[in-house]
Amino acid sequence: EPEVTQTPSHQVTQMGQEVILRCVPISNHLYFYWYRQILGQKVEFLVSFYNNEISEKSEIFDDQFSVERPDGSNFTLKIRSTKLEDSAMYFCASRRDTNTEAFFGQGTRLTVV
Amino acid sequence: TQLLEQSPQFLSIQEGENLTVYCNSSSVFSSLQWYRQEPGEGPVLLVTVVTGGEVKKLKRLTFQFGDARKDSSLHITAAQPGDTGLYLCAGDAVGGGGADGLTFGKGTHLIIQP
Repeated sequence: EPEVTQTPSHQVTQMGQEVILRCVPISNHLYFYWYRQILGQKVEFLVSFYNNEISEKSEIFDDQFSVERPDGSNFTLKIRSTKLEDSAMYFCASRRDTNTEAFFGQGTRLTVV
Repeated sequence: TQLLEQSPQFLSIQEGENLTVYCNSSSVFSSLQWYRQEPGEGPVLLVTVVTGGEVKKLKRLTFQFGDARKDSSLHITAAQPGDTGLYLCAGDAVGGGGADGLTFGKGTHLIIQP
């Protein structure tokens, strides 16, 4: 069964360092998303991506964040200069079309020290 | 800002009992999805409801979307210890065209005791 895959599963980084989280969405899906879940809190929307550009972003997604689809399969989230409060689980999701099911990856646990 | 309120936040019951968890909002959603999330893992989709009043069954789980598409419920019949987990509801905004992403509730932590 097709699935969304994310790498790495865990990432520990020093405050101020750049990190890139990687995702391979399901191959025939057109809409891609990043979400964040701080420990013990709810899943929060960060950004959506369609047709090679950002469709929508939340207020969390500030200038320190960027997304890219560098080739036909990968979808990345870059945090330019990490802060302690960026520590969270980051989930990638994809869906084939609007109002269809969204499938989530297993997540990347980011720890900023 | 659209909000989804889930209740109860925590529920612990004995194996074999029935339970219902709720997902409520003052906003209308074009669709609502229920997920189950295990610790340290991503949400796993259980069901999507789209039409007001729709009822979907998944074995012992019954999902209902409210007529006004503002609320949903998940009913589990004869709960099993394997049903233990965090249940999340998530809604698609009306008119968002899929760009807005899903709005998640905080979840219901369910524990089924043998």
